[in-house]
Amino acid sequence: GENVEQHPSTLSVQEGDSAVIKCTYSDSASNYFPWYKQELGKRPQLIIDIRSNVGEKKDQRIAVTLNKTAKHFSLHITETQPEDSAVYFCAASNPGANNLFFGTGTRLTVIP
Amino acid sequence: DAGITQSPRYKITETGRQVTLMCHQTWSHSYMFWYRQDLGHGLRLIYYSAAADITDKGEVPDGYVVSRSKTENFPLTLESATRSQTSVYFCASRAPGTEGRPQHFGDGTRLSIL
Repeated sequence: GENVEQHPSTLSVQEGDSAVIKCTYSDSASNYFPWYKQELGKRPQLIIDIRSNVGEKKDQRIAVTLNKTAKHFSLHITETQPEDSAVYFCAASNPGANNLFFGTGTRLTVIP
Repeated sequence: DAGITQSPRYKITETGRQVTLMCHQTWSHSYMFWYRQDLGHGLRLIYYSAAADITDKGEVPDGYVVSRSKTENFPLTLESATRSQTSVYFCASRAPGTEGRPQHFGDGTRLSIL
């Protein structure tokens, strides 16, 4: 089955700096890669997703890049703000699977 | 998203007791999922359902039972609770399709087993 690895497990940045979280996946058939943000005590919420026919996708201060050859994808957050502090999860799925395979999460702390 | 609700939000019970966690969605999504979230493990899939009366095991199904008699409901039952099942449980749903669809999560149930 699919195996998703996520790094780093914790990340601290100064407010205004950029943050990058990286994930690798094992199944070359995976074609859908969402990112979720989970604030303390809250539900995971989808913040951005990308499909395998696209190399990059942006939504305001967040972007995701996908390298199918290397089987890795990354979340980029620019101009970080304290409200970006949360745990971020990457995930992957392929047409043969009905569910998402999640990474173990990255705790991002933005220092004011 | 108010479209998927879990109950109860918090539950304390004792080992050996049966406990059922409820999940209800109003989107008519065909797929529903149960995850548990523990420190260091992220989100691990317990069971999922592709439609009413169709369920399948995920990564950590032992000790859990599910049913799906109606599309909108997907209850999770711990038949004889153990301390290792203390966790936060999330229900999720998504629309059908093989090209990739986001899952939408409920607010979770924090379950403590004493």
